[in-house]
Formats: sequence, C-alpha cells, structure tokens
Amino acid sequence: GAVVSQHPSRVICKSGTSVKIECRSLDFQATTMFWYRQFPKKSLMLMATSNEGSKATYEQGVEKDKFLINHASLTLSTLTVTSAHPEDSSFYICSARAGTGGEYTFGSGTRLTVV
Amino acid sequence: QQQVKQSPQSLIVQKGGISIINCAYENTAFDYFPWYQQFPGKGPALLIAIRPDVSEKKEGRFTISFNKSAKQFSLHIMDSQPGDSATYFCAAQRNTGFQKLVFGTGTRLLVSP
Repeated sequence: GAVVSQHPSRVICKSGTSVKIECRSLDFQATTMFWYRQFPKKSLMLMATSNEGSKATYEQGVEKDKFLINHASLTLSTLTVTSAHPEDSSFYICSARAGTGGEYTFGSGTRLTVV
Repeated sequence: QQQVKQSPQSLIVQKGGISIINCAYENTAFDYFPWYQQFPGKGPALLIAIRPDVSEKKEGRFTISFNKSAKQFSLHIMDSQPGDSATYFCAAQRNTGFQKLVFGTGTRLLVSP
C-alpha cells in the first residue's frame, strides 16, 4: 500500500529557532499534500494544502509566514516552523494524496517541543 | 455545514463485544466517508471508507453503516479486541470544489481484556 514517511518523529528546539519537517511519499506521486496540527486528545486541524509546484493554500487563522510550506516535487513536501515559540509545541501530521480520487495516506507525525 | 459530529467521546467495551461509533453531517455535498484509527504518537491510518451509493460496507470485523436520508454513518467493530484500543475518527469529503477531509472530534475506545 501507499506509504508516507515523515521525519523527524520528535524534535526539541529552542525558542526563536526554526524547525523543518519533511514529508515524503515513498511509492506514489503525491499531487496534493496536507499538513495538520493535533493537540492532545483533540482532532486533526488542517493547516494548509499544497499542490506540487504551487503556493500552499492556508486555512483561516494559520499564519503563512510562521508555517512555511514547500511542495517542490511530487514526492516531497516540507513544513518549516519559523521563529518557534512554546505555543507552537504540538503534534504535526502530513498526508499525501495521488490525484483527486485517491485515498489520503498519513505520515507517522512529528512531535515538536519548543523550550 | 462543514462539521462532522462524532459520538461518543469515549467508549469502553469488553473483549468480544461490539463497539459502535456514530457520526452525523449536514453538508449533502459530502460523498466520501472514511474512518481512521490512530494509536498514541502515530498518524491516523485508514480503516474503511464508504461512498453514498451503498448503505453498508464490511471489511473483516469492521463495518460501516450509512444512512443517506438521515445524514448519518457509523462504524461497528465486531468481536472487539484489546488491540483495537485506539482513537477513531470519522471524516467526510465533498465531491466538488476544493477537496479536503473534515474530521469528527474522535472517539477513544478502550477494549477491556
């Protein structure tokens, strides 16, 4: 089946620094990738949608200058949390989809802790 | 109209019992209804999905029942096992325009041995 690899699985960074999270589709071409944020015991909150070669579409309330998304190829999307602060600490999950009729395949998530 | 309401919030079932989780939606443009299983510290994994042209879909111990007129769908886990203990999310996606998944609030299932 389709596999999405997300790295790193855990990262701790200092306040004010930037962190990059990678999401790769290993065995299919992902025309669309999605980035979610999940708080403890809560549902997934969509942050943005990215199509290969295009600018990401951000959900209302998500700061595009803080959460930079790049989808440079059909197998790789990155989320960079810039100037991270403790309130950015969360579980970040990516999802990839091959075409409009395909299933959504999720990565294993990244636990970000900002100290 | 973009919401998917999920209940119960938590559920305890004895081993071998049936676990039932319910979801309801308002937007009639939704046409794809998947269920996801998530273990702590992991991303969600697709369990089973249904489209509105059928009223039921079964895969192993997992069954989706779909009621188009009531705009409700449910997940039934037969012969529940301790390994099924996880958080379950229903979701919906519309068939037109910008496609994205709308998630329910989640149900934490605990199957007691």
